[in-house]
Amino acid sequence: DGGITQSPKYLFRKEGQNVTLSCEQNLNHDAMYWYRQDPGQGLRLIYYSQIVNDFQKGDIAEGYSVSREKKESFPLTVTSAQKNPTAFYLCASSQSGFDGQPQHFGDGTRLSIL
Amino acid sequence: AQSVTQLGSHVSVSEGALVLLRCNYSSSVPPYLFWYVQYPNQGLQLLLKYTTGATLVKGINGFEAEFKKSETSFHLTKPSAHMSDAAEYFCAVILMDTGRRALTFGSGTRLQVQP
Repeated sequence: DGGITQSPKYLFRKEGQNVTLSCEQNLNHDAMYWYRQDPGQGLRLIYYSQIVNDFQKGDIAEGYSVSREKKESFPLTVTSAQKNPTAFYLCASSQSGFDGQPQHFGDGTRLSIL
Repeated sequence: AQSVTQLGSHVSVSEGALVLLRCNYSSSVPPYLFWYVQYPNQGLQLLLKYTTGATLVKGINGFEAEFKKSETSFHLTKPSAHMSDAAEYFCAVILMDTGRRALTFGSGTRLQVQP
């Protein structure tokens, strides 16, 4: 079945440590997105990529970094500069070229601080 | 300025009652509109979307929504609630007056269904 796989499901970070969240899709989608979800705040866009080797900052990019070397992969690194990283992180993908295409979501990674 | 406003962070209905979840947007150009549902510790699942055409949109699980340009609204309804509808619901838009083609989400409404 086609879909989006996020790993790990749960992740713990120590102070001063960088951690990387994995997102892989086999939907052949061009566009991929990372969102952060905090209780009562909905989802906020961290980074997005419309095509391989290109990505743009979203609303809360500070303390995060991404790469898009392959169409199917869009890993997110939470750096030590992100002072409040505890949240639920969701990856999504969609076809580009038509704005009305819905985004398909993975099942998320929950990041906590040790 | 908030682009998407969902009135009511929590809504409680009885099983079999009407479900109404409210969503208003703020944009000079009508956006593309979406409703998603999220079950605990899972990703989001698309319920329905409006881009162009008929303003009453039917989605999965018996939900529908109507785009009302004059009211800048896209409220989600279901005639008869089921226990399995208990979840968090998010309204989202793609703003057409910006260069960004990514979703902007409301803060969500948690639906409780009482037996």
